[in-house]
Amino acid sequence: DAGVTQSPTHLIKTRGQHVTLRCSPISGHKSVSWYQQVLGQGPQFIFQYYEKEERGRGNFPDRFSARQFPNYSSELNVNALLLGDSALYLCASSFRDRGFSYNEQFFGPGTRLTVL
Amino acid sequence: GDSVTQMEGPVTLSEEAFLTINCTYTATGYPSLFWYVQYPGEGLQLLLKATKADDKGSNKGFEATYRKETTSFHLEKGSVQVSDSAVYFCALSDGVNSGNTPLVFGKGTRLSVIA
Repeated sequence: DAGVTQSPTHLIKTRGQHVTLRCSPISGHKSVSWYQQVLGQGPQFIFQYYEKEERGRGNFPDRFSARQFPNYSSELNVNALLLGDSALYLCASSFRDRGFSYNEQFFGPGTRLTVL
Repeated sequence: GDSVTQMEGPVTLSEEAFLTINCTYTATGYPSLFWYVQYPGEGLQLLLKATKADDKGSNKGFEATYRKETTSFHLEKGSVQVSDSAVYFCALSDGVNSGNTPLVFGKGTRLSVIA
């Protein structure tokens, strides 16, 4: 089975531009989360979506937005790019059920965004 | 808020050496604890996990024990290989329904193993 896929692999933008990153979860997974990993740091949580609804949001400005589609794929949008938005953006999918057991998050390879 | 502190790298070891990467955490609830590994050019992979105190997670020769009294989850391996060279992240997931709360990561520790 295919793992989590993300596109594009690399992206170069200039300050002020807008960017859209895409993620396809593992088949059967209904939850998608986005993380930002700045060079030399650990990933930081941006959003979680489940059944097309936002279920969690990290401490990021409103320039960041996301959505989940009926097929459970997801887009992350960032407006008015700043130099500090340069990072590896990771998508993770999980099955997510209503119980209390841990649902492992499976990560994609990420999209490397460079803002010049 | 919740946080994870892990030892800074890089850590350079010779093949077959013993590895310890320290990790401590701060959490308001009763978190689940994880170690993730990131190989060059790849995404994160779950290495091992522990969901309650005194649990020992293990995988591929790596081990970590959930120590609630010291709020620690140190990663160990008895004999490292060159193929273990990667960045290792300690993480926690807090809340009642730990499966669906976001992961909080440490800054990562880069391990280089030389032959």
